[in-house]
Amino acid sequence: DAKTTQPPSMDCAEGRAANLPCNHSTISGNEYVYWYRQIHSQGPQYIIHGLKNNETNEMASLIITEDRKSSTLILPHATLRDTAVYYCIAADSWGKLQFGAGTQVVVTP
Amino acid sequence: DAGVTQSPTHLIKTRGQHVTLRCSPISGHKSVSWYQQVLGQGPQFIFQYYEKEERGRGNFPDRFSARQFPNYSSELNVNALLLGDSALYLCASSHPGQGVGGYTFGSGTRLTVV
Repeated sequence: DAKTTQPPSMDCAEGRAANLPCNHSTISGNEYVYWYRQIHSQGPQYIIHGLKNNETNEMASLIITEDRKSSTLILPHATLRDTAVYYCIAADSWGKLQFGAGTQVVVTP
Repeated sequence: DAGVTQSPTHLIKTRGQHVTLRCSPISGHKSVSWYQQVLGQGPQFIFQYYEKEERGRGNFPDRFSARQFPNYSSELNVNALLLGDSALYLCASSHPGQGVGGYTFGSGTRLTVV
């Protein structure tokens, strides 16, 4: 499974867009990019995933570069409830999820 | 619809004891995975089961074992508990092979070994 690299932390003002970067330069052709988040003491929550096309759902948008070596998760209007650790994971459709340290996002009023 | 349910929610055990953790997947999900999350770290993969067969195993000692039942529920067993086994144990269910989708996690079982 490909490894991913994320910044350890980032702050975001409430109401603004939060752009979370992720590098996955060794991703293979059959691996998807998954994003999860974990609010303190809860299980991880699925946000979105994509293979090579950009994706959007009610929670977020996922932008994947054409070479698939990096991606950006966009939370369009961050709220205080979006404060969490965000994990970017590259895995195939069967794959075990290899969680790294993630990005601690703090949304401030 | 009920999500992934895990029991118990909290557990305290003594070193050397054995523990069994239980997980019920979302209705219709046939795959269950187990993860261990030590405080301050991301979850680490332990096992994946699909249709009662083990499909993957992480880098954990043989003290860790699991099984999946005909109703797709699952148990994680840990023998000879060590202090280092203290962690949040997470169960996730999914629909692999029926279109790609994310895993749904339960809230976990907090195990404390004293």
